[in-house]
Amino acid sequence: AQSVTQPDIHITVSEGASLELRCNYSYGATPYLFWYVQSPGQGLQLLLKYFSGDTLVQGIKGFEAEFKRSQSSFNLRKPSVHWSDAAEYFCAVEGGGFKTIFGAGTRLFVKA
Amino acid sequence: GAGVSQSPSNKVTEKGKDVELRCDPISGHTALYWYRQSLGQGLEFLIYFQGNSAPDKSGLPSDRFSAERTGGSVSTLTIQRTQQEDSAVYLCASRIRDRGNTEAFFGQGTRLTVV
Repeated sequence: AQSVTQPDIHITVSEGASLELRCNYSYGATPYLFWYVQSPGQGLQLLLKYFSGDTLVQGIKGFEAEFKRSQSSFNLRKPSVHWSDAAEYFCAVEGGGFKTIFGAGTRLFVKA
Repeated sequence: GAGVSQSPSNKVTEKGKDVELRCDPISGHTALYWYRQSLGQGLEFLIYFQGNSAPDKSGLPSDRFSAERTGGSVSTLTIQRTQQEDSAVYLCASRIRDRGNTEAFFGQGTRLTVV
């Protein structure tokens, strides 16, 4: 069965600074990988997804993520964080059978 | 509809009562998921429906929890004899299943409070 770990419960970055949120997965083959964002009082919104092909994927709101098979990782990055990026970010992994498992989430705080 | 619709948006119930939570998926989406999000926690997988196949119930935490999906569309999650630890936001998601490279779309959730 697949699993996903987000090692950082929360992260604080200054506005304009770069961001990297970590995600590690466990699955015997190449999984499908997703990052979702949940803003306060809002539903979950897909930021980006990886199914196959180019290991660097671009998403909405200036986010990107890189799939690294050797490290079983799918870290989320953004070169310059905006105050509106403060939210909770969830990494998700899907193995066989379309069962999607989510990590515990990383809460991002942005300071002025 | 345009998106996944869940009702009610909020539900307060007394301990020991039964509750039903409803999910209307996006039209044409064959896969439907239920997740639970407790305060400060991630999304806990509960159950997954795909077309007419037997659902994957591996995430249901106890036999007080059950779900059904009628006609391959609307789904109802039922919690019997609710307990305070059942308090959480219950999220529903739907997805097109007939091809692999799709993602799930989430509803706004039902916030359940057991008092």
